[in-house]
Amino acid sequence: EAGVTQFPSHSVIEKGQTVTLRCDPISGHDNLYWYRRVMGKEIKFLLHFVKESKQDESGMPNNRFLAERTGGTYSTLKVQPAELEDSGVYFCASSQGLGSNYGYTFGSGTRLTVV
Amino acid sequence: AQRVTQPEKLLSVFKGAPVELKCNYSYSGSPELFWYVQYSRQRLQLLLRHISRESIKGFTADLNKGETSFHLKKPFAQEEDSAMYYCALPNQAGTALIFGKGTTLSVSS
Repeated sequence: EAGVTQFPSHSVIEKGQTVTLRCDPISGHDNLYWYRRVMGKEIKFLLHFVKESKQDESGMPNNRFLAERTGGTYSTLKVQPAELEDSGVYFCASSQGLGSNYGYTFGSGTRLTVV
Repeated sequence: AQRVTQPEKLLSVFKGAPVELKCNYSYSGSPELFWYVQYSRQRLQLLLRHISRESIKGFTADLNKGETSFHLKKPFAQEEDSAMYYCALPNQAGTALIFGKGTTLSVSS
């Protein structure tokens, strides 16, 4: 089966610009998660979708971040406007049921650099 | 609050030497703990979970509730073990993982 796919793999943008990251989960996985790792810090949870609904968005840092999952398939994470501290690696993961029971499959990540 | 602590940022060992990657946690209740690994240019992947009590690639980890630890061990390190290792546990709702900062393991010959 195809794994979790993330686009782009790298993105370099200027402060103030907008960037949209995309995640295609494993087909049939209702649960989709976004995480990010800022340089030198731990991987932190951003939000969790069950199908198209946001189940938990407690990890979203601020309102410059907007995540969507229209139709319950792929998801996008938009950062607008980007700030320097948004630089890091953004990971997407999917799971068939709750990840703690079923296990998570991670994508390769998108490395975002804001200059 | 749930927390995962990996005290070592980098662990360097020689091939054939024993390895222990430390992980301590704080959690209310009975936690389920995981070790994830990211090899160079590969995606983050599950290495092992404590409930399965299995050995993967020669690695084992035992949950010690008294010491709130879940250290990852391997008796004889191989060069291909070089990677970033993350210890993790679920949040209270079970909806997401809480990760430690990770430990880079470097195995040299």
